[in-house]
Amino acid sequence: DAKTTQPTSMDCAEGRAANLPCNHSTISGNEYVYWYRQIHSQGPQYIIHGLKNNETNEMASLIITEDRKSSTLILPHATLRDTAVYYCIVRVGQTGANNLFFGTGTRLTVIP
Amino acid sequence: NAGVTQTPKFQVLKTGQSMTLQCAQDMNHEYMSWYRQDPGMGLRLIHYSVGAGITDQGEVPNGYNVSRSTTEDFPLRLLSAAPSQTSVYFCASFGGGSYEQYFGPGTRLTVT
Repeated sequence: DAKTTQPTSMDCAEGRAANLPCNHSTISGNEYVYWYRQIHSQGPQYIIHGLKNNETNEMASLIITEDRKSSTLILPHATLRDTAVYYCIVRVGQTGANNLFFGTGTRLTVIP
Repeated sequence: NAGVTQTPKFQVLKTGQSMTLQCAQDMNHEYMSWYRQDPGMGLRLIHYSVGAGITDQGEVPNGYNVSRSTTEDFPLRLLSAAPSQTSVYFCASFGGGSYEQYFGPGTRLTVT
């Protein structure tokens, strides 16, 4: 599975958009980009995933560059409850991923 | 649905003791996994199962055993606890063609 690179930490003002980047320059054609987050010490929570097209759901938007070497997770109106560690994961297959490789992620702090 | 449940929430063991961490899911998922998370790090896969009676090793399997006699349950056994196994343990499941992996709340284990 392709390796990902994320900034260690980011801050975002409450109510503003949080843009979390992820670099996956060695991604192959059949690998999907997944985003999970982990709030405090809870179990990780799925956010969104995509292959090549931009995706949006009730939680976030995922923007994947045309060459697929990087992506950005966008939380449109960050709240204090969005403070968490966000993991960008690249994995073959869309129907679930049995062994997700979690790096160290980006610690997002939403500031009042 | 209760989702993925784990017991106990907290456990303290002495070196050399054995114990079983319990994991159950009520979503009829065929895939289940165990991860460990050490302080400041991402999750690492210990063992996983693709269905009842089928298990396989992940990234860090040494010192752990698993079995999958039913679809619902996937216990993790520590054979002889060591301080290096002090960690937070997460169980996860997915299935039914879903792309989302569901995580339990975790078990915080300390080995002294």
